[in-house]
Amino acid sequence: GENVEQHPSTLSVQEGDSAVIKCTYSDSASNYFPWYKQELGKGPQLIIDIRSNVGEKKDQRIAVTLNKTAKHFSLHITETQPEDSAVYFCAASRRNYQLIWGAGTKLIIKP
Amino acid sequence: GAVVSQHPSWVICKSGTSVKIECRSLDFQATTMFWYRQFPKQSLMLMATSNEGSKATYEQGVEKDKFLINHASLTLSTLTVTSAHPEDSSFYICSAARDRAGELFFGEGSRLTVL
Repeated sequence: GENVEQHPSTLSVQEGDSAVIKCTYSDSASNYFPWYKQELGKGPQLIIDIRSNVGEKKDQRIAVTLNKTAKHFSLHITETQPEDSAVYFCAASRRNYQLIWGAGTKLIIKP
Repeated sequence: GAVVSQHPSWVICKSGTSVKIECRSLDFQATTMFWYRQFPKQSLMLMATSNEGSKATYEQGVEKDKFLINHASLTLSTLTVTSAHPEDSSFYICSAARDRAGELFFGEGSRLTVL
């Protein structure tokens, strides 16, 4: 069935360094790829998304890249700050709203 | 961004009682809302899709008589956990679709503890 693999499961980076989280999807018909940030005890928050007709999208310190041929997409966070510490989920969808979720990455920013 | 409000944020109940959780889209109309369940350190598990004015669509393995969903208006969906048992203790999260483009906005979640 359709699935999304997300790596790494835990990522620890020094404050100020960059963090990269990678996802691979199986359904070649997927056309929408959101990234969510979830803080402890809270619901997920959409931080950035990309559609299949775009290869890269950037919003301040956050960027997402998409390689449709390889069925990979990645989240890049530059100049990491303590408030970036959270669990990040990637997802893929080919039908409205039907998200296939990655397993999540716990990002730890070390001071 | 769009705002989705979920209430209550946490609830403790006795085994055998029923608990209702509300999900509201505050600044947009949502014809479709979703209910998820999340266990500690795991991803979100879709339970059901709630469509305004029609019956909810449940995912395989989710008991529809156990988890009653009502989507009575374009801004409100409710999840009722009936005859709750300790194994129903979990973090329940709703989301609402603002448009047909696939963008979802999530509530803050409701932590249910059944004693």
